[in-house]
Amino acid sequence: DAGITQSPRHKVTETGTPVTLRCHQTENHRYMYWYRQDPGHGLRLIHYSYGVKDTDKGEVSDGYSVSRSKTEDFLLTLESATSSQTSVYFCAITGDHYGYTFGSGTRLTVV
Amino acid sequence: AQSVAQPEDQVNVAEGNPLTVKCTYSVSGNPYLFWYVQYPNRGLQFLLKYITGDNLVKGSYGFEAEFNKSQTSFHLKKPSALVSDSALYFCAVRPFGYSSASKIIFGSGTRLSIRP
Repeated sequence: DAGITQSPRHKVTETGTPVTLRCHQTENHRYMYWYRQDPGHGLRLIHYSYGVKDTDKGEVSDGYSVSRSKTEDFLLTLESATSSQTSVYFCAITGDHYGYTFGSGTRLTVV
Repeated sequence: AQSVAQPEDQVNVAEGNPLTVKCTYSVSGNPYLFWYVQYPNRGLQFLLKYITGDNLVKGSYGFEAEFNKSQTSFHLKKPSALVSDSALYFCAVRPFGYSSASKIIFGSGTRLSIRP
């Protein structure tokens, strides 16, 4: 999606290891969001940021941390990955249509 | 608690027939309402929005949605379905309109399947 990229696109990791997912935007938006998508749950907000070094928790933040040292980058870290964190992770920024513009997602599998 | 409900996990329609994907919401204030579509292995794409004005809004790919304030619903519709419309559809609500403190709430999604 234009202006927002996520990396990696796919990752398999072992239980107990730390994992960091990256979201990069070129739109200079102040607000950035991390969601996870699971069947039957839709999208649930993990953390969001409202500026450099300004972050806050969403509804499913346990086991996750975030950092934003630059406007363009928003990192999501799974401190010690568990199987329940197997999911598809989406980053989003505020779009021109008053909604969000999403990245293409990261499919994370914890084995 | 604020919430968005999509009562149907799956909707099956024959190509050429009209389709409706249902959405109801429970939020305070005058929310902004959205529909997003997700194709396999892709992120969510914006389809259409309701901010204010005419209750029938038109969006991408021939889709439209009808806002009903009294029923707190925002159903997605299309007069004639295409096989290429098969995808996962999300209804979303931004409470309190456009505010920097107002985060979007998503429904659980409805899988639309169009048979030839």
